[in-house]
Amino acid sequence: DVVMTQTPLFLPVTPGEPASISCRSSESLLDSHDGDTFVDWYLQKPGQSPQLLIYSLSYRASGVSDRFSGSGSGTDFTLKISRVESEDVGIYYCMQRIAFPRTFGQGTKVEIK
Amino acid sequence: QVQLQQSGPGLVKPSQTLSLTCTVSGDSISSGRYFWTWIRQNPGKDLEWLGYIYNSGSTYYNPSLSGRISISVDTSKNHFSLRLTSATAADTAVYFCARGGVDDSRGFFDLWGQGTLVTVSS
Repeated sequence: DVVMTQTPLFLPVTPGEPASISCRSSESLLDSHDGDTFVDWYLQKPGQSPQLLIYSLSYRASGVSDRFSGSGSGTDFTLKISRVESEDVGIYYCMQRIAFPRTFGQGTKVEIK
Repeated sequence: QVQLQQSGPGLVKPSQTLSLTCTVSGDSISSGRYFWTWIRQNPGKDLEWLGYIYNSGSTYYNPSLSGRISISVDTSKNHFSLRLTSATAADTAVYFCARGGVDDSRGFFDLWGQGTLVTVSS
């Protein structure tokens, strides 16, 4: 299985400040056929189901604030929040879909300082 | 507006079968455009992809479940179901159904059920 490793696992943030989460995969998530990179990011807010934030490395899902951005290549990926707001608290997960079974990172818990 | 609504018992005895259903509203489960998927989250908050059903019959399961899992679909009720046999305490988790696109470019999970906490205990 493709192993997804996130850092940090806990991230205290200050409202208005930027924040970033890293994710590394055990093999490349670049699809050589069409050039897409199959990593997605999800946010699970307290008491809710996960929701899609970013798909295929850098595309924001419908309705997602432009404060969120995804970047990276191959095996190293980053989710950035340009200015953290209180509603951004929760657990962030990266997920690969280059192969089955799909696998997730361990999650990064983001809390307000 | 497409929605996924989960149902099923929240308590299962050890060695018995865990069964959950996910009803799709606002879309046809037979459209052939989606992998209808089950994912679970253990008490430590780790997410584990369990498997999917596609096109009313094709399935793929996580090998980690050692053949205990089956996913089926009832097109007349527009729902799909999860069965996990020989349940143990390790199967205690919140179970989610989700929709993932068949097309590689749309394979992300853009729609999730509300989650069902299933506890395996006598």
